[in-house]
Amino acid sequence: DTEVTQTPKHLVMGMTNKKSLKCEQHMGHRAMYWYKQKAKKPPELMFVYSYEKLSINESVPSRFSPECPNSSLLNLHLHALQPEDSALYLCASGRGNGITNEKLFFGSGTQLSVL
Amino acid sequence: GDSVTQMEGPVTLSEEAFLTINCTYTATGYPSLFWYVQYPGEGLQLLLKATKADDKGSNKGFEATYRKETTSFHLEKGSVQVSDSAVYFCAFSNNDYKLSFGAGTTVTVRA
Repeated sequence: DTEVTQTPKHLVMGMTNKKSLKCEQHMGHRAMYWYKQKAKKPPELMFVYSYEKLSINESVPSRFSPECPNSSLLNLHLHALQPEDSALYLCASGRGNGITNEKLFFGSGTQLSVL
Repeated sequence: GDSVTQMEGPVTLSEEAFLTINCTYTATGYPSLFWYVQYPGEGLQLLLKATKADDKGSNKGFEATYRKETTSFHLEKGSVQVSDSAVYFCAFSNNDYKLSFGAGTTVTVRA
């Protein structure tokens, strides 16, 4: 199993809603990432978890709250989002040996629309 | 700060044409360099990488050589197919966990 699975594939939410994005991998990877990708733009790193601990937070607003409940799962909790947060949210995983020594596996993403 | 700059697209080619996408980097030290590809409706896939000067990455007929003297990592393929239509991102890492991407180049190959 060499997949990173993200759910849901599409999500529409209002600015007062609370929702969660989920990411799962069963490759034994110990590093997991959240990226945000606006249309026709490159992905931008949001968070990195290494061995279930948050190791990088790229100054992301607190309305985005990541969670890594175990080594296979990564969640992104959303609350009080703004329309400008509409984007494709990509999850990725790696073995945890560092990017220079390994390949990152990306999920297909959750396309989020905030109304 | 550290960054990569890649040629603007879109690029439109005929099948069997030669493809080159330029990528140059600005970095302190010696970053690792990557090309990722994103097919429509999908996440990114690593296409190839190089971790030190003069390394050549290759995969699926694509090649790129890490050139320290010109700070470049240009992507090339000798004969493209329709299935190569995608967005190509040059990327670098100067840190074990942070991967930064260029703007992306949309490539369309026509039959």
